[in-house]
Amino acid sequence: QVQLVQSGAEVKKPGASVKVSCKASGYTFTSYPIHWVRQAPGQRLEWMGWINVGNGNTRYSQKFQDRVTITRDTSATTAYMDLSSLRSEDTAVYYCAREEGYKYGYDYWGQGTLVTVSS
Amino acid sequence: DIQMTQSPSSLSASVGDRVTITCRASQGIKNDLGWYQQKPGKAPKRLIYGTSSLPSGVPSRFSGSGSGTAFTLTISSLQPEDFATYYCLQRNSYPYTFGQGTKLEIK
Repeated sequence: QVQLVQSGAEVKKPGASVKVSCKASGYTFTSYPIHWVRQAPGQRLEWMGWINVGNGNTRYSQKFQDRVTITRDTSATTAYMDLSSLRSEDTAVYYCAREEGYKYGYDYWGQGTLVTVSS
Repeated sequence: DIQMTQSPSSLSASVGDRVTITCRASQGIKNDLGWYQQKPGKAPKRLIYGTSSLPSGVPSRFSGSGSGTAFTLTISSLQPEDFATYYCLQRNSYPYTFGQGTKLEIK
C-alpha cells in the first residue's frame, strides 16, 4: 500500500535550517510529484512548493522562494524539504503529499512533521 | 495570488442534516478546485477533485459543484465521522492556495 512516512519532530533556534524527509513506499516513486504543505497552529493550510520526482524540477511559492529547497533521492525513494533562516512564524506542521495528477490533487499525505522554532 | 474565501468559518449541525459550504475565488479558476477534510492532529484527506469528481472510497453523500469563482461542497446527510474541518484548494495558478477552513461541529 502507498505510504509517505515523514521524519520526526524538530526544535530549532531562529536563524537555523531544518530538513524534513518524506519516505515513499508502495508505488513507483518517480511517477508522481511530491508537494509540501504547511500548517501553522490554528491557521489554514499553506502550499510551499513541489518537485517533479522524475526529473528533479521544482517550483516554489514566491513566499518561500529564497528559503526553501525541495530535493529527492530516487535510490532512497525519499523527498526532502529544506527551510533555512527559520523564524518563529515558521513553527508549523509540515506535510508532504503525493499528487495523483494535475487534475486529481493529493491522494496520499505524510503524517506531518512538527517544526518548532524557538530561542 | 488567488485568495480563497470559505463561508461559513464554522457551522453547527446535527447527524442527518444537509450541509453546504461555499468557497469563493478572487479570480476565475475554471474547475481547478478540490476539497479536503481534516480531523484534529491528522493530515488532510481528499474528498473532491476537479470541482465535482469523487475519488474512489469517498462516500456518495459528498458532492461538489461550481465553476469560475464560486464553488460548493455539500454533505447530503451528515454522519458522525463527518465532523471535521473542510478546506478548499485552488490549483489553477501558482501559488496554490487554500481557503481558511470551515469547522463543522456537532449541534
